[in-house]
Amino acid sequence: NAGVTQTPKFQVLKTGQSMTLQCAQDMNHEYMSWYRQDPGMGLRLIHYSVGAGITDQGEVPNGYNVSRSTTEDFPLRLLSAAPSQTSVYFCASSRQAGGRYEQYFGPGTRLTVT
Amino acid sequence: AQKVTQAQTEISVVEKEDVTLDCVYETRDTTYYLFWYKQPPSGELVFLIRRNSFDEQNEISGRYSWNFQKSTSSFNFTITPSQVVDSAVYFCALSEATSGTYKYIFGTGTRLKVLA
Repeated sequence: NAGVTQTPKFQVLKTGQSMTLQCAQDMNHEYMSWYRQDPGMGLRLIHYSVGAGITDQGEVPNGYNVSRSTTEDFPLRLLSAAPSQTSVYFCASSRQAGGRYEQYFGPGTRLTVT
Repeated sequence: AQKVTQAQTEISVVEKEDVTLDCVYETRDTTYYLFWYKQPPSGELVFLIRRNSFDEQNEISGRYSWNFQKSTSSFNFTITPSQVVDSAVYFCALSEATSGTYKYIFGTGTRLKVLA
């Protein structure tokens, strides 16, 4: 199993550009989430999904969109990039059975917005 | 409101010393889950342990041990003894049954430097 994969690993955008961060998992996990990691702030939840077709907002959703058309994929879209969105983005997935609620994280995407 | 506090921003120890990383949490749920993750310099997040609120048994895994105390709302992590490979940022996280076990609240992390 590849686990959770993310592409790209690095990205530089200009202010106002849009892009999609890709996330896929092959563990048949129901739940998927996007977090951003900023220095001194830990990880904060952007959006999450409890299954195909179901998404909801986390703590810091502004400026981002998500969709979940399949169990495997959960892309994160930046609509109009801003320097405040410079961060490291992590996708995670977890199952919801047997009390094993730990999330498995992808390798991250380092995004710089100039 | 739920919150996780890791008051130690950075800790430096000499290899073979014992080191404890502190984690204090706040929650009103009676059913919740606590986690520790390691983030080495390469940047990925590695799951270390999960503990649920009904299980206060301490856990030991090799050089790692965890002390869960509901009375003080703490879930501390000890490395005995430390090694250079333990150098990383360590995150403590909380999830709650009522708000969704998939929604983690992370602490701000503790950077551990183990010097040779």
